Amino acid sequence: NAGVTQTPKFQVLKTGQSMTLQCAQDMNHEYMSWYRQDPGMGLRLIHYSVGAGITDQGEVPNGYNVSRSTTEDFPLRLLSAAPSQTSVYFCASSRNGRLAGGTDTQYFGPGTRLTVL
Amino acid sequence: LAKTTQPISMDSYEGQEVNITCSHNNIATNDYITWYQQFPSQGPRFIIQGYKTKVTNEVASLFIPADRKSSTLSLPRVSLSDTAVYYCLVPNTNAGKSTFGDGTTLTVKP
Repeated sequence: NAGVTQTPKFQVLKTGQSMTLQCAQDMNHEYMSWYRQDPGMGLRLIHYSVGAGITDQGEVPNGYNVSRSTTEDFPLRLLSAAPSQTSVYFCASSRNGRLAGGTDTQYFGPGTRLTVL
Repeated sequence: LAKTTQPISMDSYEGQEVNITCSHNNIATNDYITWYQQFPSQGPRFIIQGYKTKVTNEVASLFIPADRKSSTLSLPRVSLSDTAVYYCLVPNTNAGKSTFGDGTTLTVKP
């Protein structure tokens, strides 16, 4: 098992550019989520998905889109990058998420460090 | 959303026991409490999880009082490699999503 993988590891964008951060998991987990972590801060939930075809917003969804066409993949799209989106982005997955009654353990990817100039 | 509150930072020395307390006053009936550890430039990783009373594994213990409005992570005999940020997570199953707090930065000194 590779677990949760994220690409790229590092990315530099100019303001206004768009890009997609990739996330994949090979554990057949239903629940996947995206977080951002600003320097010295905790993780903030951007979007999450409880299964293929189902997505919902987290705490800070503005400027980001997601889709979940397969169980394995959960890409995060930046529509028009802004310097305020400079952060480290983590993808996570868990077996059942909400349906497990809160007992699920989240597995995190290694992160993507994004800089927007 | 269930909000958690933890101390921002703690210092300790090698070999000491460290206790980190998290407040979660609005915890829902079905919510478990999970603690994660994060090293610099890495994603968080699971340490321990519990619902009530006491849970122990090879890494830590978790103490949860009867009212479940707080929990305490106990790390026995810490070493320098335990220097990390520790997060208490309450999933808020009623809302279907989890919210991390700002975590506690633990610094272990020689």
